[in-house]
Amino acid sequence: QKEVEQDPGPLSVPEGAIVSLNCTYSNSAFQYFMWYRQYSRKGPELLMYTYSSGNKEDGRFTAQVDKSSKYISLFIRDSQPSDSATYLCAMTLLYAGGTSYGKLTFGQGTILTVHP
Amino acid sequence: IAGITQAPTSQILAAGRRMTLRCTQDMRHNAMYWYRQDLGLGLRLIHYSNTAGTTGKGEVPDGYSVSRANTDDFPLTLASAVPSQTSVYFCASSVDSGGADTQYFGPGTRLTVL
Repeated sequence: QKEVEQDPGPLSVPEGAIVSLNCTYSNSAFQYFMWYRQYSRKGPELLMYTYSSGNKEDGRFTAQVDKSSKYISLFIRDSQPSDSATYLCAMTLLYAGGTSYGKLTFGQGTILTVHP
Repeated sequence: IAGITQAPTSQILAAGRRMTLRCTQDMRHNAMYWYRQDLGLGLRLIHYSNTAGTTGKGEVPDGYSVSRANTDDFPLTLASAVPSQTSVYFCASSVDSGGADTQYFGPGTRLTVL
């Protein structure tokens, strides 16, 4: 069983819809949670990161973390065709000294298509 | 233009051949990483380097080696390629290796081993 599970989709929604993307994880030591967006044939780019349980909003995007349930979500409001991409959740824990060594653990990625 | 460059963009390689994937960043980041991306498996860390002169193993290091002779370059070498190493390889860098340090990814190298 992978440490981080993400529904690969694909997910197809009409323009303007609210999109919910989700990941579950098994390692309760994970402390930083991130969402990356990856356009076709490009490298991933960071969308948002959160540290604690709760919500973090950035424009049309809201990241939610529930550490008690080991569950994170990304919500996209008023989705646009330009949001069509693969969305990857990622998380990391801190080792002694406060470093993560940059060791991100990624979900499998969810392919999202927003059609006009 | 600041960022990460990777070379080659794509490569077809015969099994058993040696191959080095190149990665260069001009952001003066301390930390660099190599990932492979496979369908259904997401991105998996191969090797990392938190600072020039040091390297460490990630989740899937077998069959790969890295070196970090200076801040800017982090080449990944496949000593004797096998078909299971067919994948898309991404290099990334971050200012440091703290939990909140953003990793910036290169455009990727598509490698096919026959």
